[in-house]
This record gives sequence, C-alpha cells and structure tokens, in this order.
Amino acid sequence: AQKITQTQPGMFVQEKEAVTLDCTYDTSDQSYGLFWYKQPSSGEMIFLIYQGSYDEQNATEGRYSLNFQKARKSANLVISASQLGDSAMYFCAMRASTGTASKLTFGTGTRLQVTL
Amino acid sequence: KAGVTQTPRYLIKTRGQQVTLSCSPISGHRSVSWYQQTPGQGLQFLFEYFSETQRNKGNFPGRFSGRQFSNSRSEMNVSTLELGDSALYLCASSLRDLSSYNEQFFGPGTRLTVL
Repeated sequence: AQKITQTQPGMFVQEKEAVTLDCTYDTSDQSYGLFWYKQPSSGEMIFLIYQGSYDEQNATEGRYSLNFQKARKSANLVISASQLGDSAMYFCAMRASTGTASKLTFGTGTRLQVTL
Repeated sequence: KAGVTQTPRYLIKTRGQQVTLSCSPISGHRSVSWYQQTPGQGLQFLFEYFSETQRNKGNFPGRFSGRQFSNSRSEMNVSTLELGDSALYLCASSLRDLSSYNEQFFGPGTRLTVL
C-alpha cells in the first residue's frame, strides 16, 4: 500500500521569499512517480511538477522545484520567489507503476498563505 | 484546447436520492479518473476508466458506479445518497491510462451537498 504524509497543515511565507513544503512517502514498489498539485479556492487541481523514482536529477518547473531524497523517501516542494497568487492548498501525490496499483494516492495537503 | 469540464458544478440532494455527475475529458484523452474530496478523508480515488472499461477501483461501496462512453465522456452515479457523500467530486483526464506516467488534468469539480 502507498502512503503520503504531509506534516504541515498550514504555512505562511512572505512575498518574494522561498518556501519548502514537506512530503514523505511510503511504498514497497521500486517504480513510482511523485506529483505536486495546487488547489486554489476554486477547487480545481493544478499540476505543478513530477518526479520519477528513477530520475537522477531533481525536477524543476519554473519557480517550482522538487527536492527528491530517495533514501529518506521525501519529495519536498520548493517554491521560490513566492507570489500572492501562490496562496492555495498544495497536495503531494504518488502513483506506483505496477499493475492494479495505478491510482494517485494523495496526502492531506498543506495550506500556504503568502503575505505582503 | 478546452480543459476538463464537469457538470453540474453544484448539486443539492436529499438522503436516499440518486445523482449522476458528468465529466468531459480533454479532446483526445482516453482515460478518466474520479476522486472524492472531503475535509475528513481528503482526496480518495474512486475509479478509472480507459477506452470504456473500468481499469481500477478504489475502496468505495457499490452505491458508487460509473461508466465511460465511446467519446470518452464519463458519468459517475451515486445511488441511495447518504449525508457522508457530501463532497467535492473531481474528474481527471489523461492521454493514456494510469499504468504509465502521464499528467492528469483535473476539472473544476462538482460540489455535492446531501441534506
């Protein structure tokens, strides 16, 4: 079974500062993918970044980067130069690429508030 | 390219009724997945359809069912509604099925309230 843990229910960050959102995962599968999604108050889930378990480089997408530490089973999201529009819920998710376990398992989320 | 659309956006039903939610995926996408989001349980996977076949199912009672049509549009049905079914129901589409990596694009969701 897969499990995602996000230990920060809420985070505050000042505009233009960087912030790290924590995510740890548990799986016995060797091949898996890790995702981060953003959910504004409107409810729609927006894909941010993906990291494959065999990727040697940390994934980056614009201001988003994923700090992947496989041995520690962590996949933290780093947002650089925070903007007011970054205020939202952020979810870490995992998919294991084995047969019927092909579903996204989500963490409980972290609510990020960007302040002036 | 149009995104994933879900109808209706809001729905109010009473206990015991049934409800059907609709999801239209991005053009060309063949996989549709459904998720339930509640404050207590978070985001939970309901099921995935690919090319009109249910490929995977989450741990939900048989009251929750779905189907996919030949144009990849999908419907989700909940029968004998319970108060605990109140949730945001999210639909996501992807080009291929979930067994291979590909990005899932989510719709805005349908917020169901059961009174």
